Amino acid sequence: DAGVTQSPTHLIKTRGQHVTLRCSPISGHKSVSWYQQVLGQGPQFIFQYYEKEERGRGNFPDRFSARQFPNYSSELNVNALLLGDSALYLCASSSSLRQGAWTEAFFGQGTRLTVV
Amino acid sequence: KQEVTQIPAALSVPEGENLVLNCSFTDSAIYNLQWFRQDPGKGLTSLLLIQSSQREQTSGRLNASLDKSSGRSTLYIAASQPGDSATYLCAVFVNSNQFYFGTGTSLTVIP
Repeated sequence: DAGVTQSPTHLIKTRGQHVTLRCSPISGHKSVSWYQQVLGQGPQFIFQYYEKEERGRGNFPDRFSARQFPNYSSELNVNALLLGDSALYLCASSSSLRQGAWTEAFFGQGTRLTVV
Repeated sequence: KQEVTQIPAALSVPEGENLVLNCSFTDSAIYNLQWFRQDPGKGLTSLLLIQSSQREQTSGRLNASLDKSSGRSTLYIAASQPGDSATYLCAVFVNSNQFYFGTGTSLTVIP
């Protein structure tokens, strides 16, 4: 079975542009979360979606938004990009609402976003 | 707010040595604690999951312990190998449906 897949793997954008990152969870997993990892830091929580509904939101500005589709894949959108948005964006999937509470969370390889 | 700290930030050991990585968290109200491995520029690989009611978990040469009351976890790696070189992250899962991560321990195993 395929693991969590993210696309694209690398992306370069200019300040002020918009970006869309994509994530496909493990087959059968209904929960998807997004994390931002700045170089040298641990990942920071952005969003969690379960059964197509937002179930958690981290401390990020409204420029960040996400959605989950009927097939449980997810998109993360970032508007008006800033240099500080340059980071590795990670997607995690799990089979339960309490993602990671009673079951393991599995992460993808991430999308490396560079804003110039 | 939950804070997760990992000590040391970096560690260099000769091949074959046993080692311990430390993780501490400030709020004991956690569902579980998960240890991950991250290779440079890559995603996270899950190593061990410890439920809040458990004391330890083992997988191969890895053993993780959890003392929820004191807010501490350790990851023990036996007979280290050069392939173990990576950054090790611990994360606690809390009621707000999110992980809080430490900043990681960068491990280098010297052949």
